[in-house]
Order: sequence, then C-alpha cells, then structure tokens
Amino acid sequence: AQKVTQAQTEISVVEKEDVTLDCVYETRDTTYYLFWYKQPPSGELVFLIRRNSFDEQNEISGRYSWNFQKSTSSFNFTITASQVVDSAVYFCALITQGGSEKLVFGKGTKLTVNP
Amino acid sequence: DGGITQSPKYLFRKEGQNVTLSCEQNLNHDAMYWYRQDPGQGLRLIYYSQIVNDFQKGDIAEGYSVSREKKESFPLTVTSAQKNPTAFYLCASSTDYVGGIYEQYFGPGTRLTVT
Repeated sequence: AQKVTQAQTEISVVEKEDVTLDCVYETRDTTYYLFWYKQPPSGELVFLIRRNSFDEQNEISGRYSWNFQKSTSSFNFTITASQVVDSAVYFCALITQGGSEKLVFGKGTKLTVNP
Repeated sequence: DGGITQSPKYLFRKEGQNVTLSCEQNLNHDAMYWYRQDPGQGLRLIYYSQIVNDFQKGDIAEGYSVSREKKESFPLTVTSAQKNPTAFYLCASSTDYVGGIYEQYFGPGTRLTVT
C-alpha cells in the first residue's frame, strides 16, 4: 500500500527565515511520481512540482527547492527567505504506476509566516 | 482563461436532502476527480472518471454518486445516505489518467454544510 507522511502538522516562522517541510513516502512500486501542492486560505490547491522516481535531481524554482532522496524515501520542500504570502497548507502526494494509480495525499503541513 | 470551476463556493442543506455539486473544466482534460477534505486531513478520493460515460469508485464512495455525460462536466451528488456530508469538496482534472503521469489541477472547492 502507498502512504505519505508529513510529520510536521504546523510550522510557524518569521519572515525571511528558511523553512523545510518534510515528506516521507512508502511504496513497493519502482515507478512512481511525487507531487507538492499548496493550499492557501482560499482553498484551491495549487500544483507546485512533480518528480518521477527515476529522476533524483534536486530542483530549484526561485525561492523554492526540493530534495528527493530515494535512499530515505523522502521528498522535502524548502522555502528560502519565507514571505507572508507563503502562509498556506502544503501537501505532499504520491501516485504509483502499476499500483492503485490513485493520488495519495499526506495530511498536510500548515505553514504560518509571521511578519 | 482555462481552468476548473466549482459552484457554489458555499452550500447549506438540511439533513436528509440530496445535493449536487457542480464541476466544469475547459482544459480539455480526459480525467476528472472528486475529493473530500476534512479539517486537519489530507484529501480523500471519492470518485474518478477517465473518459466520458465511465467512472470508478474511490476510497470513500459510499453515499455519493456521479455522472460523466460530457467531457467538461463531472457533477457530484451527495445523497442522504452519506452519514457525515459536511466537508470541503474539491474537484480536479488531469490530461491523461494513465499512470498518473500528469499533475492534477484543482478547482476552488465547495464547502458543504449540512444541518
């Protein structure tokens, strides 16, 4: 069975601090895809990144970066120099090819960035 | 502007009444999905559809029904059989269901309150 664990329920930081959101996944399939979504207070989930299991390159997009490590089954998300607009709930999700092929979400991490 | 629309944003119903939530997309996506989100929880899949006139149960389909008569539309009916219908409902779509290769895009959600 597939499972995604986001152990940090809530994180609070002060603006300009760096913050890392943890994501640990479980799957027996060798082909899978990992995602991060942002859910601002408005409620709509916003897609941030997709990573497949064969691509362990880290990715950077502006202030966002992602660290994918198959050895530890982790796909962590770092926000550099956080801003108030980064305040949201962030979800990590997993889908496997050959398994259930359903997107499995973690329970989310609520990030609050204080001015 | 391409996207997914859900209406209404807020919906109130009396217990025992069926209610239908609307979801429309103009992204020309083949696959559509319905998720339920409860406070502090991740998203749980209710139903999904890969093509017109076909749909599959997700993890929590009991008490819900759907139809997919048009590619653009995937309405969800919350029936009186659903024991705890009060929740935030999110609709999503993706380019191609196969293997979950493509990311899902989400609508703004409908917050349903049943009293």
